[in-house]
Amino acid sequence: GESVGLHLPTLSVQEGDNSIINCAYSNSASDYFIWYKQESGKGPQFIIDIRSNMDKRQGQRVTVLLNKTVKHLSLQIAATQPGDSAVYFCAERWNSGNTPLVFGKGTRLSVIA
Amino acid sequence: GAGVSQSPRYKVAKRGQDVALRCDPISGHVSLFWYQQALGQGPEFLTYFQNEAQLDKSGLPSDRFFAERPEGSVSTLKIQRTQQEDSAVYLCASSLGAVGYGYTFGSGTRLTVV
Repeated sequence: GESVGLHLPTLSVQEGDNSIINCAYSNSASDYFIWYKQESGKGPQFIIDIRSNMDKRQGQRVTVLLNKTVKHLSLQIAATQPGDSAVYFCAERWNSGNTPLVFGKGTRLSVIA
Repeated sequence: GAGVSQSPRYKVAKRGQDVALRCDPISGHVSLFWYQQALGQGPEFLTYFQNEAQLDKSGLPSDRFFAERPEGSVSTLKIQRTQQEDSAVYLCASSLGAVGYGYTFGSGTRLTVV
């Protein structure tokens, strides 16, 4: 399939290590955030979300941290596996209600076996 | 259906040709979004429907782009007189409520204009 994220920043991680992917979002009024994983030739796949009234949320092997003071979002992946290799996008919703998601530029995660 | 379905998966169009891209959202999902994703970029918003009403079309790049969702389920994105700069992946997403959470994306349609 076609390549996603040809010129994106790349994070290379050894298999089994933890990964941290960072995102600076744009709008201090954003109320909702999602991390998506996108593999080549596929659409974005939902990983985890967080609302602006929370600082941290955990899922299976993933944790999202939200720092509203500096408009920063991070995705932590524990015990990174080869199947985690993909491009990761953060997305923000600029305000509550019927508004679309605004996506960041993405980070390519490359897992070294 | 179990997920968001888009067709065709790939489309090659000659410059100047009209194309129609189809999106079948998850059954019962109220909100439907179209995004355009250029190679190496994040998805960019095109337009949004709540049921059959098109509430936001601010992201459509020109009047050659038109979207509809006449019965509040299936949606079609039409591009008239395609240009090379229209080459991209067109993604459709849906969410259950009017206030969207947990948007689910389809696999997209890869449009190549030659």
